[in-house]
Amino acid sequence: DVKVTQSSRYLVKRTGEKVFLECVQDMDHENMFWYRQDPGLGLRLIYFSYDVKMKEKGDIPEGYSVSREKKERFSLILESASTNQTSMYLCASSPPRVLYNQPQHFGDGTRLSIL
Amino acid sequence: DQQVKQNSPSLSVQEGRISILNCDYTNSMFDYFLWYKKYPAEGPTFLISISSIKDKNEDGRFTVFLNKSAKHLSLHIVPSQPGDSAVYFCAASDRGSTLGRLYFGRGTQLTVWP
Repeated sequence: DVKVTQSSRYLVKRTGEKVFLECVQDMDHENMFWYRQDPGLGLRLIYFSYDVKMKEKGDIPEGYSVSREKKERFSLILESASTNQTSMYLCASSPPRVLYNQPQHFGDGTRLSIL
Repeated sequence: DQQVKQNSPSLSVQEGRISILNCDYTNSMFDYFLWYKKYPAEGPTFLISISSIKDKNEDGRFTVFLNKSAKHLSLHIVPSQPGDSAVYFCAASDRGSTLGRLYFGRGTQLTVWP
């Protein structure tokens, strides 16, 4: 079974802090993704990565950056946290689409509160 | 602009009856469709998928139907059980993209009552 592990289930930070959310997958997947989930808005893609050191902006990248130094690890960084970044953050991984249709596998999420 | 739409934010069904969740899409390049189920405080879990070369895929109590001409898919759950109560997300993938990103709808909250 694919295992996607997010470092924290709950996190509370203050406005202006730099915040790091970590995600690790154990299936040697090329693709990794960061989403946020807000009530009524569904899952919105922030950034994704298709290889080490490669990244692509999703639909809402403003205020975020990412880092992928190793294949199994994908970090989301809030450069200067703001209250509107309070949300549930979800990490996912998948094989590359060119090989075969495969679903993305998600971690359990990090509930982040910015005070 | 949303390319995958779930127009019903909520659905309430009695236990034992059929649940039908609907999803519409606008991008004709989408060729792979998925349904995910999400409980509170957990990540989404993959439920069932369908390729555009098919119009139906079945897995136990869950069946997904795809109508390409209408750009519409639906998830049928028969019989519905209280444990099916969750948010269901529809997602789609673009054949023109090699990167495998998914486009998600906003979700439908299913409540199955005894």
